[in-house]
Amino acid sequence: TQLLEQSPQFLSIQEGENLTVYCNSSSVFSSLQWYRQEPGEGPVLLVTVVTGGEVKKLKRLTFQFGDARKDSSLHITAAQPGDTGLYLCAGEGAGGTSYGKLTFGQGTILTVHP
Amino acid sequence: NAGVMQNPRHLVRRRGQEARLRCSPMKGHSHVYWYRQLPEEGLKFMVYLQKENIIDESGMPKERFSAEFPKEGPSILRIQQVVRGDSAAYFCASSPTRTSARIQYFGAGTRLSVL
Repeated sequence: TQLLEQSPQFLSIQEGENLTVYCNSSSVFSSLQWYRQEPGEGPVLLVTVVTGGEVKKLKRLTFQFGDARKDSSLHITAAQPGDTGLYLCAGEGAGGTSYGKLTFGQGTILTVHP
Repeated sequence: NAGVMQNPRHLVRRRGQEARLRCSPMKGHSHVYWYRQLPEEGLKFMVYLQKENIIDESGMPKERFSAEFPKEGPSILRIQQVVRGDSAAYFCASSPTRTSARIQYFGAGTRLSVL
């Protein structure tokens, strides 16, 4: 069974601060996705990383996939209240039988105070 | 373009009743996935379907749960004889092809409450 450990579970910061959310596993993933979920809504895809060591930037968000494809991080620079939400990482398992079967971390609830 | 549509958004059932959750994938998508999100937990994979085929049902409880994706119409997740432990948010996602299965677009979910 593949598991994704996401940390921290809760993060409360002031506007303008930087933060990093981590997603770790002992398993190799063929890809890793980051989603953001608002209360009462479904997850919205932010980014997909596929290659070990890959770094992707989305405005103030920087996503990195570990060299061994077992871990990932999400870094937010100069957080804003609009960044408040639940952030989820999800991995697609390596191997043909894992197509479409995303394993989700438990999520990080981020609160950015004005 | 319409996204993934799920209905109903909220469903209340009494113990022992049946719950039917519907999911219409994005236009052009032929692959559908169902996930369950229990309170205070992350999303858990339940089943992966293609039109008229169940590809992977390894996350489905062995009893009372079934899923289908017919040639015409939405995908249906059916829960028979619901119990309180079935109360959760059920999310459907879709992708266009098998090889892009990692790119999944989610609906807004159906929140099932069992009284």
